[in-house]
Amino acid sequence: GAGVSQSPRYKVAKRGQDVALRCDPISGHVSLFWYQQALGQGPEFLTYFQNEAQLDKSGLPSDRFFAERPEGSVSTLKIQRTQQEDSAVYLCASSSGWGQPQHFGDGTRLSIL
Amino acid sequence: AQTVTQSQPEMSVQEAETVTLSCTYDTSESDYYLFWYKQPPSRQMILVIRQEAYKQQNATENRFSVNFQKAAKSFSLKISDSQLGDAAMYFCAYRIGIQGAQKLVFGQGTRLTINP
Repeated sequence: GAGVSQSPRYKVAKRGQDVALRCDPISGHVSLFWYQQALGQGPEFLTYFQNEAQLDKSGLPSDRFFAERPEGSVSTLKIQRTQQEDSAVYLCASSSGWGQPQHFGDGTRLSIL
Repeated sequence: AQTVTQSQPEMSVQEAETVTLSCTYDTSESDYYLFWYKQPPSRQMILVIRQEAYKQQNATENRFSVNFQKAAKSFSLKISDSQLGDAAMYFCAYRIGIQGAQKLVFGQGTRLTINP
């Protein structure tokens, strides 16, 4: 595609519900990243894939957060038993390889009530 | 751990004037990359400019240039001839230069307002 596509753009969920956020990277990009951006803050790294392999998940805040990229293209970030502190914008980025710039999507704004 | 600090939460400038956004970082690495990203209300992070730490020459991209002071661990962004479309949040970011370590570490951001 022309750019990184994320869906949904907005998601509202009740505390305790599970949510799934989707990222469709730029075609051919092997690297994929997830970041969490709290209101008024800079993005914080969550996890990184090289093709289908999850090479770094050091930023995932708890075991309620899970990310996958089974075929090395589309990725899903899943949050189980959501809490209010999970409310944030979740940004996805992709790049064509090591050393190449990361291209970001528009993000998903998640609100937990 | 690497950290990035932007000490100016907000800045404003008159249209057509020049403005400088500050950024400092802390690292023990010698090989790394520095970036400035722009985030308009649409939320998409857009790469403005990047600098490799091993390069002494400051990077420039049209109206955007950086002042990279490696010893002082400072990386400021200068925007010349400011335009209304430059209004956005600006984030300074750092990435270590080791292959395989690709995550970006961001600062807190500076909100830039352009006054017509």
